[in-house]
Amino acid sequence: DIQMTQSPSSLSASVGDRVTITCRASQSISVYVNWYQQKAGKAPKLLIYAASILQSGVPSRFTGSGSGTDFTLTISSLQPEDSTTYYCQHGYSVPWTFGQGTKVDIK
Amino acid sequence: QVHLVQSGSESKKPGASVVVSCKASGDTFNKNAISWVRQAPGQGLQWMGWVNTKTGNPTYAQDFTGRFVFSWDTSVTTTFMQISNLKTEDTAVYYCARTVSGYYFFDYWGQGTMITVSS
Repeated sequence: DIQMTQSPSSLSASVGDRVTITCRASQSISVYVNWYQQKAGKAPKLLIYAASILQSGVPSRFTGSGSGTDFTLTISSLQPEDSTTYYCQHGYSVPWTFGQGTKVDIK
Repeated sequence: QVHLVQSGSESKKPGASVVVSCKASGDTFNKNAISWVRQAPGQGLQWMGWVNTKTGNPTYAQDFTGRFVFSWDTSVTTTFMQISNLKTEDTAVYYCARTVSGYYFFDYWGQGTMITVSS
């Protein structure tokens, strides 16, 4: 199975800061990475698919990049509503696995 | 607009069975599929498997073989997840999610169903 390792597991940043979350795959997976945001008590929400394609309706401050084994989700200017948990997920081969999550807090 | 609406929370004793439904609307579901994802309390997301909504064929992740059964009823565009011989460690929120072929991402999610297993 392909493992997805996210880092950091948590971070604290100020409103307006640039925030980067990293996901590393245990083998090369081209651009088969997707990113989700999950708020407490809610279903996850798709932010980015195919490593860099912004899902319709998602604010442009969210960007994704990477290919092969290393991927990043960047929030260009952190907003209060972005304080929550983020997950990466690979779609390269079954079983599709998620990273362990990154909790983002506002300082 | 695609909507996935799941059945309500359940509380069961160990050894019992449970069925969770996920009613889909707003899509023909000919090209996509529906996955099930588990989230134990305070934990991350775990993909359990999926149902091909064109053929009805299920695929299970290794941790979810044996006691878990996924099915799809085209007549009511609903997918079902049955868990038998429930264990306390099955306590979790279970989500269904539309799975888009190609890059295999989950773009629409049900609201989640909490299953609590306790004696």
